[in-house]
Amino acid sequence: IQLTQSPFSLSASVGDRVTMTCRASQGVGRSLAWYQQKPGKAPKLLISIASTLQSGVPSRFSGSGSGTDFTLTISSLQPEDFATYFCLQVDSYPYTFGQGTKLEIK
Amino acid sequence: QVRLQESGPGLVKPSGTLSLTCDVSGGSISGLNWWSWVRQPPGKGLEWMGEVYHSGGTNYNPSLRSRLTISMDQSKNFFSLNLNSVTAADTAVYFCARSTHNSGWYIDLWGQGTLVSVSS
Repeated sequence: IQLTQSPFSLSASVGDRVTMTCRASQGVGRSLAWYQQKPGKAPKLLISIASTLQSGVPSRFSGSGSGTDFTLTISSLQPEDFATYFCLQVDSYPYTFGQGTKLEIK
Repeated sequence: QVRLQESGPGLVKPSGTLSLTCDVSGGSISGLNWWSWVRQPPGKGLEWMGEVYHSGGTNYNPSLRSRLTISMDQSKNFFSLNLNSVTAADTAVYFCARSTHNSGWYIDLWGQGTLVSVSS
């Protein structure tokens, strides 16, 4: 299953609302997770099962979607949110990742 | 608090075998989790390589299956990766990770990653 994320990169300002998408080449139900990765660091799980916010993750992050189309929204960008975000499908083997969306400061 | 820590050589010669271990601390590797390896070539995206369960069950990415073995040592609480016949294309940061089930499976915990370069 191929995951295509868009946009590839995104420039935004602190306080902006941003949305990024992850599209699967075939349906994955709700078996999709979102991660944040900063340079040189391990990925951090933000959202599981398409929309379940992980403990400790700020409520400005939200996920939605099912089947083939998923979105990650950050309601009000904070300085620490500038990072790369990627999706992962765990519906079927082999698990696959999106290529990532790099969120940069405008 | 469960933590994962990768270790192993940072340089492997072409055609050799890349071997890494992931030490699991703060929790048992024998629990209801799958234990995975994921890699990320420099400047590129992530690739799920495969996983192992405490029963000995494994799942591998078909693209790597012929070269990859993932195993675990429950007595010492670690799992390992062996990738043979490596080439420069196997140069990457290698992460170990844990999958948990809660209304569905997902990778919820990652090690910090270790860079392995394949070069003569």
